[in-house]
Amino acid sequence: NAGVTQTPKFQVLKTGQSMTLQCAQDMNHEYMSWYRQDPGMGLRLIHYSVGAGITDQGEVPNGYNVSRSTTEDFPLRLLSAAPSQTSVYFCASSYYLGSGTDTQYFGPGTRLTVL
Amino acid sequence: QQQVKQSPQSLIVQKGGISIINCAYENTAFDYFPWYQQFPGKGPALLIAIRPDVSEKKEGRFTISFNKSAKQFSLHIMDSQPGDSATYFCAASRTGANNLFFGTGTRLTVIP
Repeated sequence: NAGVTQTPKFQVLKTGQSMTLQCAQDMNHEYMSWYRQDPGMGLRLIHYSVGAGITDQGEVPNGYNVSRSTTEDFPLRLLSAAPSQTSVYFCASSYYLGSGTDTQYFGPGTRLTVL
Repeated sequence: QQQVKQSPQSLIVQKGGISIINCAYENTAFDYFPWYQQFPGKGPALLIAIRPDVSEKKEGRFTISFNKSAKQFSLHIMDSQPGDSATYFCAASRTGANNLFFGTGTRLTVIP
């Protein structure tokens, strides 16, 4: 199993540009989520999905869109990048719905810089 | 507002020493308290977790101590090794919730 994979590893954007961060998992997990990690802030939940076709907002959803067309994939879209979105982004997955209490398996992260 | 407060921000320990990281929470509905370990350039990985029906959980050199009345929990790393050097995050959640609230992290350095 590859686990949770993320692409790209690094990305530099200019303000106003758009991009999609890719996330895929091969563990047949129902629950997938996106976090951002900022110094002194820990990890904060952006969006999550409890299954294909179902998504919801987390703590810090503004400026981000998600969709879940398959169990395996959960892309994160930045429609108009802002410097405040400079961060390290982690995708995570786990087995269960309502799975704040389930083991989260994290990907290796994408380091995004917005100039 | 930070749901889970973590301290210290950084910690330096000699090899063989005990590393202690503390966390506190306010929401009494939380019933799941995991610790995640993160090495540089990697994603966090679950290290150990506890539920409030026990006051302590031990897995090898890693122990969680839980104080329900004080709403505090801590991670103890016994016989700390250089390979334990990483960032540690405490977190909290409640049954049925989809959100896991993380502390701000502690960067541990174990000196040989």
